[in-house]
Amino acid sequence: EAQVTQNPRYLITVTGKKLTVTCSQNMNHEYMSWYRQDPGLGLRQIYYSMNVEVTDKGDVPEGYKVSRKEKRNFPLILESPSPNQTSLYFCASSGKDSYEQYFGPGTRLTVT
Amino acid sequence: SQQGEEDPQALSIQEGENATMNCSYKTSINNLQWYRQNSGRGLVHLILIRSNEREKHSGRLRVTLDTSKKSSSLLITASRAADTASYFCATDPPVIKAAGNKLTFGGGTRVLVKP
Repeated sequence: EAQVTQNPRYLITVTGKKLTVTCSQNMNHEYMSWYRQDPGLGLRQIYYSMNVEVTDKGDVPEGYKVSRKEKRNFPLILESPSPNQTSLYFCASSGKDSYEQYFGPGTRLTVT
Repeated sequence: SQQGEEDPQALSIQEGENATMNCSYKTSINNLQWYRQNSGRGLVHLILIRSNEREKHSGRLRVTLDTSKKSSSLLITASRAADTASYFCATDPPVIKAAGNKLTFGGGTRVLVKP
C-alpha cells in the first residue's frame, strides 16, 4: 500500500530536549515536505526536499532542521524545542511528474 | 501568509444537501488543489484543476476556477455524513518545480453533515 508514515504520532516533551520525528514514504517520490498546522493558520511549509541531499527552507524554518540521506526518509529535527513549536506536524511526498501530495497521518507535538 | 482563504469557515448541512465552499487566492497559480482532512488526520487529495481549466468533476465533486477573480469553488453534491471534514484549497506557483512542489494552503472550511 502506498503510504507516508510518521513516528511518533504523539509526543509530549520539555523545552530544550532534542527530538526527531521520522517520515518515510514507499512511493519512490522525489519531493518531500514538512508542514505544521496551527488553528486559524492552515498548513505552513517548514522545509522541503527535491531529492537526496537537496533540501531548502519553506515558510517557517526557524527552530527546525531536516536531512535527506535516503530517498524514502525525511526526518524533522528539533534541536531545542520551545513551547511555540507545539503543533500538529505533517510530512508529505510527491513525485516529480505529479502535483498531488500524499500526507502522513500527522504527529501531534506538545512542548511544555 | 496564507495564499488561499476559504469561505465560509464553517458549514453545517443536512445529509443529502449540497455543500459549497469558496477559495480566494492572491497571486498567479499553476494549479489549484482541494484536500480533505478528517479530524486531526492527514490530508487527502481530492481534485486538481489547472490554471487553464474552468471546471472539473470527480464523482460528487465539482470544482470551478476563475483566474480573473482569483477564486475557486468546491461543490459536494448529495452530501453524506462521511463527508464531515475540513476542506482546504492549496495553490502552487507558476515556477513550482523550483520549490519542490510547494503548496500554499488556506485556513480551511469545516463541514458538518448531519444525518
